[in-house]
Amino acid sequence: IAGITQAPTSQILAAGRRMTLRCTQDMRHNAMYWYRQDLGLGLRLIHYSNTAGTTGKGEVPDGYSVSRANTDDFPLTLASAVPSQTSVYFCASSDGLGGTGELFFGEGSRLTVL
Amino acid sequence: GENVEQHPSTLSVQEGDSAVIKCTYSDSASNYFPWYKQELGKGPQLIIDIRSNVGEKKDQRIAVTLNKTAKHFSLHITETQPEDSAVYFCAASYNDMRFGAGTRLTVKP
Repeated sequence: IAGITQAPTSQILAAGRRMTLRCTQDMRHNAMYWYRQDLGLGLRLIHYSNTAGTTGKGEVPDGYSVSRANTDDFPLTLASAVPSQTSVYFCASSDGLGGTGELFFGEGSRLTVL
Repeated sequence: GENVEQHPSTLSVQEGDSAVIKCTYSDSASNYFPWYKQELGKGPQLIIDIRSNVGEKKDQRIAVTLNKTAKHFSLHITETQPEDSAVYFCAASYNDMRFGAGTRLTVKP
């Protein structure tokens, strides 16, 4: 069972470029999330989706967009990357809504914006 | 929104000793308190969680306690082993989950 698959694993990107981080789950979970992890700040929620066709903003949504066309896929797009978006990005899914159930995380995507 | 504070940021213990990590939260409506373990290069994994209707939960060498009045909860690891070395995150949730900044635990053999 793969669980959550993220791609790419690592990417170096020039400032101003557009980038999409991919996330796919095979657990048929309704809820999916994108977090960024920065040293000393823990995990901060960027965007979430409670079910296919719906999305919502988390704690730090600016500069990011998401879509949820189907249950399995939840891509995160940086329209015009900036150096402050250098971070490790984690996708997660859950069968509980509103953060009330276990989150299953992917292995992360390390993004460096120069 | 919810604010979760976690202490200490780093913790070093000798193998066999106990380790305690503490978290406080701000939103009294929060009712779900999970703990995640993150090993190097991996995503976080749930190790134990507690809901607001209980005060303590144990699973082998790990336990979590919750004091809703004081709005704090703690993770206790007994008989620590080198494989317990990792970063641990607490979280608190009502409508959305907020994480603490993490504790890097090192268990020295």
